[in-house]
Amino acid sequence: EAGVTQFPSHSVIEKGQTVTLRCDPISGHDNLYWYRRVMGKEIKFLLHFVKESKQDESGMPNNRFLAERTGGTYSTLKVQPAELEDSGVYFCASSQDLIGTEAFFGQGTRLTVV
Amino acid sequence: QKEVEQDPGPLSVPEGAIVSLNCTYSNSAFQYFMWYRQYSRKGPELLMYTYSSGNKEDGRFTAQVDKSSKYISLFIRDSQPSDSATYLCAMSSRSSNTGKLIFGQGTTLQVKP
Repeated sequence: EAGVTQFPSHSVIEKGQTVTLRCDPISGHDNLYWYRRVMGKEIKFLLHFVKESKQDESGMPNNRFLAERTGGTYSTLKVQPAELEDSGVYFCASSQDLIGTEAFFGQGTRLTVV
Repeated sequence: QKEVEQDPGPLSVPEGAIVSLNCTYSNSAFQYFMWYRQYSRKGPELLMYTYSSGNKEDGRFTAQVDKSSKYISLFIRDSQPSDSATYLCAMSSRSSNTGKLIFGQGTTLQVKP
């Protein structure tokens, strides 16, 4: 069974550009999460989808970040326009249960904004 | 103050040692406690989770939760070089009706042959 897959694995963009990250969750997992880790800090929650609906988006830093999950399958996270402080590793996770006790993580997308 | 505190280490031990990793937390609403292992350039991998207080054992790994002290631990017996990784604690509250996990900063462990 395939795990959580993220694309791309690494992205380097200039400040002001747009980047779109993609996450393919484990098949059958209704719950999908985005997390971010900036250098030297802990992994922080961004948002939680249940199917195509946003269950909790309390961690989204600002309106430059847009997450979508059309059709309740894969998800995208768009950053527009990117700023230097957006650099970090973006993780996607999925789970069957709502409270995420058994969440499976992808390998992450390392975003560098220069 | 962070909701979850975890000493980043690094922690270096000889092969075969018993390793103790710990986290403290401030939010008494946390009910689910997870331990993840993360190898370099990889995503976190769930080792085990416990609900409320008590112990849970899985092979060489034992997780303990002391809610009265707001303190959780992960013990690794007979540590191996392949256990060298960053260990992350994470917590959640069912009452929040969300799968949001609050992570500690992670402890880097090196097991020397």
